[in-house]
Amino acid sequence: TQLLEQSPQFLSIQEGENLTVYCNSSSVFSSLQWYRQEPGEGPVLLVTVVTGGEVKKLKRLTFQFGDARKDSSLHITAAQPGDTGLYLCAGDNNDMRFGAGTRLTVKP
Amino acid sequence: DAGVIQSPRHEVTEMGQEVTLRCKPISGHDYLFWYRQTMMRGLELLIYFNNNVPIDDSGMPEDRFSAKMPNASFSTLKIQPSEPRDSAVYFCASSLGQGLVSPLHFGNGTRLTVT
Repeated sequence: TQLLEQSPQFLSIQEGENLTVYCNSSSVFSSLQWYRQEPGEGPVLLVTVVTGGEVKKLKRLTFQFGDARKDSSLHITAAQPGDTGLYLCAGDNNDMRFGAGTRLTVKP
Repeated sequence: DAGVIQSPRHEVTEMGQEVTLRCKPISGHDYLFWYRQTMMRGLELLIYFNNNVPIDDSGMPEDRFSAKMPNASFSTLKIQPSEPRDSAVYFCASSLGQGLVSPLHFGNGTRLTVT
């Protein structure tokens, strides 16, 4: 059973489109992290969100932590092929467990 | 900074054989984690250590799996005997502190195939 549910599981879009992926849970987290993983490599941290309602921007990526600290979203504006990868969220609930991820493909 | 180093990168073995995966964490990191990743189950936490002491091994699938951290710069994950269902990518990660305020730094993984 996944503590963190990520959706959609797969997403394939054209270059230039916008997209949002979600990370949901019934548990409250003290913080939440987003990672991106490329084939043959380990996940790499993108951002950590700590405060309910917090919004963080990283170039074309916007991360939001829900007010109740149970969910988060990642929005990508004008997606590029370099954004292709597996996006994972991880919640701090006294251990470091991950969602199953959203596998994003951006076609040129 | 060399990052987290895992070896081997690929391991192919026959069912019943012993498999040992190795990890060198980033120097100065107090926490070390072992994860297993499959398409079906995603990234699963197997066990983690703090200052070389195992803290939570509830994710270890069964007694065939064991992990050790004899010193701050080395950890092993052993599977004995291995089974085809153990085929997966095994990741080691380290961090400076507890919780997700300190980011996890992952190695590039060991791809294990058990035939």
